[in-house]
Amino acid sequence: DVKVTQSSRYLVKRTGEKVFLECVQDMDHENMFWYRQDPGLGLRLIYFSYDVKMKEKGDIPEGYSVSREKKERFSLILESASTNQTSMYLCASSWGTDQPQHFGDGTRLSIL
Amino acid sequence: QKEVEQNSGPLSVPEGAIASLNCTYSDRGSQSFFWYRQYSGKSPELIMFIYSNGDKEDGRFTAQLNKASQYVSLLIRDSQPSDSATYLCAVADSNSGYALNFGKGTSLLVTP
Repeated sequence: DVKVTQSSRYLVKRTGEKVFLECVQDMDHENMFWYRQDPGLGLRLIYFSYDVKMKEKGDIPEGYSVSREKKERFSLILESASTNQTSMYLCASSWGTDQPQHFGDGTRLSIL
Repeated sequence: QKEVEQNSGPLSVPEGAIASLNCTYSDRGSQSFFWYRQYSGKSPELIMFIYSNGDKEDGRFTAQLNKASQYVSLLIRDSQPSDSATYLCAVADSNSGYALNFGKGTSLLVTP
């Protein structure tokens, strides 16, 4: 089975902090994704990566950056956390184009 | 923005009945379609994917695809209370091939 592991289930940070969310997959997948999910807004794509050191903006990249230095690891960075970034963050991976994505357990992030 | 539309529900069905969940999409070039189940507070879990017109069956689940009508559906036979969850329809983005466009989900309630 595919295993996508997110570093924290719950995280509380303060406004202005730099926040790192980590995601690791163990299936040698090419593609990795970061989403946020908010009530009434559904899943929204922040960034994705289709190869090491490659990244593409999703629908809502503002206020975020990403890093993919190794194939199995994809990090989401909140440069200066704000309260409107309080959300559930979901990491996913897939092995190719038009393939299903497999999700981690999610990180519920609260910015105070 | 490529639209994926689902009725938000809740859709209520009695135990043992067939639940029918529907999804329409705007991206005419999409080739891959996915159904995810999401329990409250949990991450999405892949339950079905379909690439060709027609029906695809897996246990109690059947996915149906009609590309001409831009319509995909999920049938759940012999519904159980444990099927109560939100079901997300996802459609591969024909421009990128990597990203999925998600609907906001249909809430299903199976009553004993």
